[in-house]
Amino acid sequence: DGGITQSPKYLFRKEGQNVTLSCEQNLNHDAMYWYRQDPGQGLRLIYYSQIVNDFQKGDIAEGYSVSREKKESFPLTVTSAQKNPTAFYLCASTEDGSNQPQHFGDGTRLSIL
Amino acid sequence: KQEVTQIPAALSVPEGENLVLNCSFTDSAIYNLQWFRQDPGKGLTSLLLIQSSQREQTSGRLNASLDKSSGRSTLYIAASQPGDSATYLCAVRYGSSNTGKLIFGQGTTLQVKP
Repeated sequence: DGGITQSPKYLFRKEGQNVTLSCEQNLNHDAMYWYRQDPGQGLRLIYYSQIVNDFQKGDIAEGYSVSREKKESFPLTVTSAQKNPTAFYLCASTEDGSNQPQHFGDGTRLSIL
Repeated sequence: KQEVTQIPAALSVPEGENLVLNCSFTDSAIYNLQWFRQDPGKGLTSLLLIQSSQREQTSGRLNASLDKSSGRSTLYIAASQPGDSATYLCAVRYGSSNTGKLIFGQGTTLQVKP
């Protein structure tokens, strides 16, 4: 079945540590996105990528980094510079074209130890 | 500033009731609007997508309407069931660029009681 796989489902970070969240899709979608969801708030865009080897900052990119070396993969690194990383992180993808719906993975919940 | 608002934040109804969820947006120059469902601890599932040129979209017991002039969209759920209990989010895309960037509302958490 085609879809988006995020791993791990739960992740714990120690102070000063970088952690990487995985996002893989087998939908052959060109565009991929990372969102952050906090309780009582809507999703906020961290980074997005429309094509391999290219990505753009979203609204809250500070303290995060991404790479897009393969079409199917878009990992997100939460760096030690992100002082409030506790949140639910969601990865999404869409076919090229502005009228296509976004498809989401099941998310990774990141907490601070 | 482009903002999307959903009111109420939570709603509880008895099974079988028809209900309406509301979404409002500050800038009427939208490209499309999408309604999502989110179950606890899960990702988002796309329910309906309405293009700016459309007035409504239907899928089964769900009907979404769009009124750009008033900056509003509604999601109508007919004959609600306990399985409809979830958080419903609306998201708006602005402009004609191909970034696919969405602006989300905070969501309405629906509980349908048996």
